[in-house]
Amino acid sequence: VQLVESGGGLVQPGGSLRLSCAGSGFTFSNYWMAWVRQAPGKGLEWVANIKQDGREKFYVGSVKGRFTISRDNARNSVYLQMNSLRVEDTAVYYCARDGNSSSWSHWGQGTLVTVSS
Amino acid sequence: QSVLTQPPSVSAAPGQKVTISCSGSSSNIGKDSVSWYQHLPGTAPKLLIYDFDKRPSGIPDRFSGSKSGTSATLGITGLQTGDEADYYCGIWDNSLRNWVFGGGTKLTVL
Repeated sequence: VQLVESGGGLVQPGGSLRLSCAGSGFTFSNYWMAWVRQAPGKGLEWVANIKQDGREKFYVGSVKGRFTISRDNARNSVYLQMNSLRVEDTAVYYCARDGNSSSWSHWGQGTLVTVSS
Repeated sequence: QSVLTQPPSVSAAPGQKVTISCSGSSSNIGKDSVSWYQHLPGTAPKLLIYDFDKRPSGIPDRFSGSKSGTSATLGITGLQTGDEADYYCGIWDNSLRNWVFGGGTKLTVL
């Protein structure tokens, strides 16, 4: 199982960024997927997750209306479209795959998003 | 402020045992399964325990989990310097319709 994130970088407040996560080594369409972030000096924070068929999505309150999670099972990829970015969205963003009994069993190495003027 | 409460830090000597608590409520730990994660900042978090007390393959039996009421506990025996990391509990909270992590506990092996 491998998860590889991409798309991070430096963006100004109010800007947009799209993160991608490519999965391999497993049947991608069988699993919930999630994005989790860690801001500098802070703990892990779940951002969003998406069901296998993409029909159910959940978001943490602070990103609702600004971030959109989506997936393309044909491309074995999950995405996070981030709009109206704020300084407090600065973090390492990790992609994670569902495991047994409501857990996140596999994680990517993360991609850094920096929101700064 | 997370709905799951963990102590900010714990410490113990090499070879000793340590426990990390995770206190929740009837809407989360009372209803769903807790998992535990080990994280060194800048690296991929690692799943240690799922469903309160089950270990994924490859996780040594030095790591254990338990539940009592609306609290969960991670135990680590035979502490090694390589165990120094941040530890997080996590769960799906059905009333929030959110996945939540505890605030994290920094383990220092003295």
